[in-house]
Amino acid sequence: NAGVTQTPKFQVLKTGQSMTLQCAQDMNHEYMSWYRQDPGMGLRLIHYSVGAGITDQGEVPNGYNVSRSTTEDFPLRLLSAAPSQTSVYFCATSRGESWYTFGSGTRLTVV
Amino acid sequence: AQRVTQPEKLLSVFKGAPVELKCNYSYSGSPELFWYVQYSRQRLQLLLRHISRESIKGFTADLNKGETSFHLKKPFAQEEDSAMYYCALRGGGKLIFGQGTELSVKP
Repeated sequence: NAGVTQTPKFQVLKTGQSMTLQCAQDMNHEYMSWYRQDPGMGLRLIHYSVGAGITDQGEVPNGYNVSRSTTEDFPLRLLSAAPSQTSVYFCATSRGESWYTFGSGTRLTVV
Repeated sequence: AQRVTQPEKLLSVFKGAPVELKCNYSYSGSPELFWYVQYSRQRLQLLLRHISRESIKGFTADLNKGETSFHLKKPFAQEEDSAMYYCALRGGGKLIFGQGTELSVKP
C-alpha cells in the first residue's frame, strides 16, 4: 500500500515548455485534488475530482489541465509553463467522509 | 462560497506558554473542519478533525458555529510544535485551506 505517490519530486522547466505531474493512489479513494503551495498564500486548489470521469475547477485553474480516466490516477498538465507557476504542487486524496491524505509534493521551477 | 481565514501569518511563543491559532470560516452548509500540520516543507499531515473531538499531541479545537471559528489550542507549547499549521474546510466535494500560520516555539 503505497498511499499517494507523486512524480517527479523535482522539475525544472523552461518558459513555454509543457509537462505532466503525476499523482497515483492505491487506496480506492474517489476524491482527488491538486494544490499549489506558495509562501504567504497557503495551499490553493487548482482542480479536483469527485470520481473517475468527473473533474472541476478550483481556485486557481488557469494554465492547468486535468483528466480522471481511472480511479487511481489524476495527472496535472501544464500546457505552457510560466515563471508564475514556480511552486510546490501537492496531490491529495480522500474517500467518503474521511480526511484527505497528501502526497510528498513536486517542487517545480520555471525559468 | 467557501472561505477559510487564518489572520496570523506568524505566531511566536516561548516553550511552556499557551498557544492559540485562530481560524475563521465562511460556508453556507454544514462545515467539516480540519487542522493540518506541515513540518519543514514535508507533506501535510492531519492533526485534528472537528467531528472526532479528540486531542492530538496536546492540541484541541472546538467548532463554534455561532462565531464561525475553529481555533486550535494547546496549553503548554513545546519546541517540537514549531511548524506550519493550516486550517481547512471541506464542502461540496473539495477541501479549501486558509493561508497558514507559522508557529515558532522558542526555548
